[in-house]
Amino acid sequence: SQTIHQWPATLVQPVGSPLSLECTVEGTSNPNLYWYRQAAGRGLQLLFYSVGIGQISSEVPQNLSASRPQDRQFILSSKKLLLSDSGFYLCAWSPQGKYGNQPQHFGDGTRLSIL
Amino acid sequence: EDKVVQSPLSLVVHEGDTVTLNCSYEVTNFRSLLWYKQEKKAPTFLFMLTSSGIEKKSGRLSSILDKKELSSILNITATQTGDSAIYLCAVEPRFGNEKLTFGTGTRLTIIP
Repeated sequence: SQTIHQWPATLVQPVGSPLSLECTVEGTSNPNLYWYRQAAGRGLQLLFYSVGIGQISSEVPQNLSASRPQDRQFILSSKKLLLSDSGFYLCAWSPQGKYGNQPQHFGDGTRLSIL
Repeated sequence: EDKVVQSPLSLVVHEGDTVTLNCSYEVTNFRSLLWYKQEKKAPTFLFMLTSSGIEKKSGRLSSILDKKELSSILNITATQTGDSAIYLCAVEPRFGNEKLTFGTGTRLTIIP
């Protein structure tokens, strides 16, 4: 069966520091991968998605970036964090090239607090 | 731009009550509507509704899609404290690498 892992679970960082959040998927190959941010009282906002290694699409202009160095690894990064980057970050995956509809499945998320 | 609006924003009921959560949407080239339950961490998948599957049921939970009204409802009967969560609605367009647009969710609290 497929599983998705995210780490760390919580993170407290000072303003201006760098960021690296990692997500890995097991039990499948060539998945679509997604990064979302969930701010308090708001829905999930899609930040980035990837359909393959090195292929990243950005949905929202910001000081965050994403990379996919391996098929089942998705990394969210920042060179200098802002206060507004605080939130709950979720990674998700879905099968690619699917026949028929299948939902996205989410990791447990990283709660990021910027001080 | 795709849009999803959920109502109510929050709901508090007593254990055993029946609740109905609402979701309305605007999407170009509709493909599917999804419901997720989010307790403390990861949203977990509940239902996917499409043009070929407009009604789904699992135990005490059921959902209906009304493509004419561009809306969906999620019903929970005989609620239990374990149903307390945020319920998220999302829509998927037909063309767009399965990108989902989420609503802000309904926070459901079940009082024992």
